[in-house]
Amino acid sequence: ELKVEQNPLFLSMQEGKNYTIYCNYSTTSDRLYWYRQDPGKSLESLFVLLSNGAVKQEGRLMASLDTKARLSTLHITAAVHDLSATYFCAVDGPGGGADGLTFGKGTHLIIQP
Amino acid sequence: EAGVVQSPRYKIIEKKQPVAFWCNPISGHNTLYWYLQNLGQGPELLIRYENEEAVDDSQLPKDRFSAERLKGVDSTLKIQPAELGDSAVYLCASSKDGLMTGELFFGEGSRLTVL
Repeated sequence: ELKVEQNPLFLSMQEGKNYTIYCNYSTTSDRLYWYRQDPGKSLESLFVLLSNGAVKQEGRLMASLDTKARLSTLHITAAVHDLSATYFCAVDGPGGGADGLTFGKGTHLIIQP
Repeated sequence: EAGVVQSPRYKIIEKKQPVAFWCNPISGHNTLYWYLQNLGQGPELLIRYENEEAVDDSQLPKDRFSAERLKGVDSTLKIQPAELGDSAVYLCASSKDGLMTGELFFGEGSRLTVL
């Protein structure tokens, strides 16, 4: 059974600080996805990482994938309040992308002024 | 391009009542998913459709849940009868090239409260 674990599950940080969210998964997968969810809203796709060593950056967020370690990181640089949200990582099912995604429990991020 | 559309956004019912949720995927997306999201948790897959065929419904509680995707476009998820534990957000997602990137696009969800 594929398991996806995120840590931390809750994070409160100050604006201007840097931090990293970690995502570990239990079985071999070459593809990992990061989503953002605002309260009461749906999931918004942030990054699609399709191979080992993939790194993608958008604004203050940078995601990377190490398939050998089964680890992805989401790094936040100089955090701003607008980045407060819940961040989910997700991994392909055993049959690849068409099986749907298995999600972690999410990291609830609060960025305080 | 319109996103995934779901309705209703909110539904409050008493236990043992039936309820149905509707989803219209992004045009051209052949794969459609229904996910369940409990409070404070990540989404969990209920059922996946390839066009009109349900190709993975192993996580769907078939004693009370049913789904259909007529003509391979819109989909309906039904619960009958609803139980207290069914209170959650039901998310619909679609993808165009599930075998390629696997990227899913989600609707805003239908929040169910069972009293």
